[in-house]
Amino acid sequence: QVQLVESGGGVVQPGGSLRLSCAASGFTLSVYGMHWVRQAPGKGLEWVAFIRYDGSTKYYADSVKGRFTISRDNPKNTLYLQMNSLRAEDTAVYYCAKGVTSHFYFQHWGQGTLVTVSS
Amino acid sequence: QSALTQPRSVSGSPGQSVTISCTGTSSDVGGYNYVSWYQQHPGKAPKLMIYDVNERPSGVPDRFSGSKSGNTASLTISGLQADDEADYYCCSYAGTYWVFGGGTKLTVL
Repeated sequence: QVQLVESGGGVVQPGGSLRLSCAASGFTLSVYGMHWVRQAPGKGLEWVAFIRYDGSTKYYADSVKGRFTISRDNPKNTLYLQMNSLRAEDTAVYYCAKGVTSHFYFQHWGQGTLVTVSS
Repeated sequence: QSALTQPRSVSGSPGQSVTISCTGTSSDVGGYNYVSWYQQHPGKAPKLMIYDVNERPSGVPDRFSGSKSGNTASLTISGLQADDEADYYCCSYAGTYWVFGGGTKLTVL
């Protein structure tokens, strides 16, 4: 069955960097677009970034554009999110989510990893 | 990239039906038939309930249904059950980004 396992979260100071990983199993990662979605404590869901199955196209939320970079290593079945210039408002649980070919929804979600930006 | 508008809370008694609205613009909800809905229980990851406005993934009860009219999408849950109590989020594709609603807390009385 599909499994998505995020890692790399933790506490980081404002202005710092962090790289999240999402290990995929149970499906062929190279066939599907993938997303990062976040949820600040007690708040709603916010879409963060998307990467096409082959990495050729990437989209970002305005709130992270220029600071975050989504990437993937299909042979390693892993999705990444490089987060730079972190701000307090980036504090959230970060979920990776699997897309669906020719569709535009999040079919499967990981359990999330918590990122806390604080001095 | 403004969030879609959902009511903060709705409630209903077991067996009743509730409808959660999700209002966007012609750039998102009104422009594409790609509205999806997610259920989230406390401390858990979201779960896909409806996609492409009114399609149900396998395993989701037919008590859950979706619709759309203009810039407003809706999720209807009929025959409410205690386990339906959760947060519900709508989401729309918007060309080069996705946008969620603020979420609706469903209370089963």
